[in-house]
Amino acid sequence: GAGVSQSPRYKVAKRGQDVALRCDPISGHVSLFWYQQALGQGPEFLTYFQNEAQLDKSGLPSDRFFAERPEGSVSTLKIQRTQQEDSAVYLCASSPAAAFSSYNEQFFGPGTRLTVL
Amino acid sequence: GNSVTQMEGPVTLSEEAFLTINCTYTATGYPSLFWYVQYPGEGLQLLLKATKADDKGSNKGFEATYRKETTSFHLEKGSVQVSDSAVYFCALSTKNTGTASKLTFGTGTRLQVTL
Repeated sequence: GAGVSQSPRYKVAKRGQDVALRCDPISGHVSLFWYQQALGQGPEFLTYFQNEAQLDKSGLPSDRFFAERPEGSVSTLKIQRTQQEDSAVYLCASSPAAAFSSYNEQFFGPGTRLTVL
Repeated sequence: GNSVTQMEGPVTLSEEAFLTINCTYTATGYPSLFWYVQYPGEGLQLLLKATKADDKGSNKGFEATYRKETTSFHLEKGSVQVSDSAVYFCALSTKNTGTASKLTFGTGTRLQVTL
């Protein structure tokens, strides 16, 4: 079956532009995570959705970052007024069950590489 | 807070050599431990996991043992292949009331296997 897909795979933005990154999770997966991976680093947690509810956004670095999952399926990560330090790979992961009670394997997408000039 | 420290790469080995990639962690609470692998051009994939002390996770010839006394989860393989060339990430997750079981990753170790 289809895995997690993300689009676009590559995005170049001028500083100050707004960008929107899309994640299509595995069908039926309840949990959806966004991570940010800077060059040469491991992924860092940004935010978590259980269905359409954003239950944890403790990792969002600033109020320029906004995520939504309005119908509990596709999610969009939006970055307003992009800065050079936003350049990174943005990873989306989905998991079949709610993430609070125990660990369930997270299935990762290929990521979107954002470059801010 | 939670953190993971893993050995820096790149690690370059000849085919059939023995592999060890060190990983140590600090965690609040009792973590589950994971190794993820990222092949060139692909997304992160779970390689193996262990959820309690002394558990051994294994997959595709790779093994790692959850050592609570040394807070370690070292990855080993007895005989690497060229196809094992990838970036390997050690990670942990803890159960925290009210927050998601998000993963905390190390910085990754690049493995290059040559003929």
